[in-house]
Amino acid sequence: AQSVAQPEDQVNVAEGNPLTVKCTYSVSGNPYLFWYVQYPNRGLQFLLKYITGDNLVKGSYGFEAEFNKSQTSFHLKKPSALVSDSALYFCAVRDLLNAGNNRKLIWGLGTSLAVNP
Amino acid sequence: GAGVSQSPSNKVTEKGKDVELRCDPISGHTALYWYRQRLGQGLEFLIYFQGNSAPDKSGLPSDRFSAERTGESVSTLTIQRTQQEDSAVYLCASSLGFRSMDTQYFGPGTRLTVL
Repeated sequence: AQSVAQPEDQVNVAEGNPLTVKCTYSVSGNPYLFWYVQYPNRGLQFLLKYITGDNLVKGSYGFEAEFNKSQTSFHLKKPSALVSDSALYFCAVRDLLNAGNNRKLIWGLGTSLAVNP
Repeated sequence: GAGVSQSPSNKVTEKGKDVELRCDPISGHTALYWYRQRLGQGLEFLIYFQGNSAPDKSGLPSDRFSAERTGESVSTLTIQRTQQEDSAVYLCASSLGFRSMDTQYFGPGTRLTVL
């Protein structure tokens, strides 16, 4: 079954420290992977996606994510966290094996990131 | 406009009333999605439109929920005889096309409260 797991409900990090928000997935075929961020009282914003090619993907606001096929992971990272990065982060995957019939993204439940000054 | 817009931003209604939520996708985007996000939870897919194809309604939770889209423009999500469990933020997203790699862009959502 297709699924996405974000194993941490909440991540706390001090400002200036590196941050990691974890995501693992389970699909039948090759995945397309996405990260979105949701700031308080605002809609979801696209951060970055992995389609093919370089396993390290760079996105908005200094975020990056590394696709690891052997570990079926797509962890979101940032070298130096800002207080303004505090938000809810969602990982999503689309299974290419079923892409012809299923345009839906499979979403994780979200991870709340709190960056402390 | 530059992004996806939704209206109203907030809606408070009484149990049993019907509500209609509106979504204006990004101009030129052929695909449109509706999601529901309950407090503290992830996104729940409701329905997907792609051009003139039949919509994918597989996520609609009951026959009280329906949605329409006129061509490749505005969409409305209608909830009939609202229940308290319908209280949630309803998010609309659009994407350029139907390809799997196409990024979905989200509106700010409509917060629905059923009293």
